Amino acid sequence: AQSVTQPDIHITVSEGASLELRCNYSYGATPYLFWYVQSPGQGLQLLLKYFSGDTLVQGIKGFEAEFKRSQSSFNLRKPSVHWSDAAEYFCAVGAPGGSYIPTFGRGTSLIVHP
Amino acid sequence: DVKVTQSSRYLVKRTGEKVFLECVQDMDHENMFWYRQDPGLGLRLIYFSYDVKMKEKGDIPEGYSVSREKKERFSLILESASTNQTSMYLCASRRGSRTQYFGPGTRLTVL
Repeated sequence: AQSVTQPDIHITVSEGASLELRCNYSYGATPYLFWYVQSPGQGLQLLLKYFSGDTLVQGIKGFEAEFKRSQSSFNLRKPSVHWSDAAEYFCAVGAPGGSYIPTFGRGTSLIVHP
Repeated sequence: DVKVTQSSRYLVKRTGEKVFLECVQDMDHENMFWYRQDPGLGLRLIYFSYDVKMKEKGDIPEGYSVSREKKERFSLILESASTNQTSMYLCASRRGSRTQYFGPGTRLTVL
């Protein structure tokens, strides 16, 4: 069975600082990988996704993530954080197959200090 | 853009009431999902449906049922609401095995 680990429950950064949110997965083949963001009281919004090809993927809001097969990781990065980035971030792993159910990490809460 | 809507953003019900949460998507997706989200527990899958009238139990189906009579609509039913079902409920839809798109969520409080 697949699993997703987001080791950091909370991360605090200063506005303008760089950000990296960690995601490690366990899956036997090349997975589909996703990052979602959730603002308070809202649903999840897709930031970016990886299915195949270039291992560095660009997403919305200036985010990017890199798939590293050797480390089973898909870390999310942003060079300069804005106060509006404060939210909960979820990593998810899926796979080919219409009935495949993705697995979500427990989330990382990002706090941005002015 | 994919649009997933949920019938209510906030809902307050009494213990023992029957509760219906509705979800509608406009992109002809065959797969639809219901999750509940609780602090520290992440997203937990209640049920999913891969076609009209088809459903599969997720990780925590107890106390819930679902209905999918039309492709665009997936309903979650709490037959007899209990206080431990107070939670955020999220609906999602997906074509094939690709990206899930989420609705805005329903914050349900059971008193």
